[in-house]
Amino acid sequence: KAGVTQTPRYLIKTRGQQVTLSCSPISGHRSVSWYQQTPGQGLQFLFEYFSETQRNKGNFPGRFSGRQFSNSRSEMNVSTLELGDSALYLCASRLNFGGATNEKLFFGSGTQLSVL
Amino acid sequence: GESVGLHLPTLSVQEGDNSIINCAYSNSASDYFIWYKQESGKGPQFIIDIRSNMDKRQGQRVTVLLNKTVKHLSLQIAATQPGDSAVYFCAENMNSGGYQKVTFGTGTKLQVIP
Repeated sequence: KAGVTQTPRYLIKTRGQQVTLSCSPISGHRSVSWYQQTPGQGLQFLFEYFSETQRNKGNFPGRFSGRQFSNSRSEMNVSTLELGDSALYLCASRLNFGGATNEKLFFGSGTQLSVL
Repeated sequence: GESVGLHLPTLSVQEGDNSIINCAYSNSASDYFIWYKQESGKGPQFIIDIRSNMDKRQGQRVTVLLNKTVKHLSLQIAATQPGDSAVYFCAENMNSGGYQKVTFGTGTKLQVIP
């Protein structure tokens, strides 16, 4: 079974531009979460999608948005890029997002975004 | 607020020795805990997990200990190898209104000295 796939692997953008990152979850997984990781920081939760609906959101400005498609693939978008948005953006999938079942997350390798 | 924190940001260990990575969590309602390993250039990968009704769980060369009294989680790696060099994250899961909320710690970098 293929793992979580993120594209592209690397991106270089300039301030003010916008960017779209893509994530394909493990087959059968319906929940997709996005995290931002910067040097010296932990994993900062952006949002989680399940059944094409955003189920939870972290403390990020509205410039960060996402969506999920019917096949569970997800995209996140960052508009009006700032230098501080330079980070590794990680996508993670799990079967479900709630209920009594505790599930581990399966991460992709991430998209390294550099804003110049 | 809720938080999961690590006591040591960097840990250097001699090859062959045992490693202990610690994690403190603040939410007593958390019922599921996971350790992840992140190698350079990769996303975090699952190592071992433990439910709140347990206090110890063993895997291959790894053991997780949970002390709910003091809200402390630790990861023990036996006979540490160069391939264990990575950043380790603890994560706590809590059922919040039917949603499994995940909170990650800040991470500990493990450096194995050959």
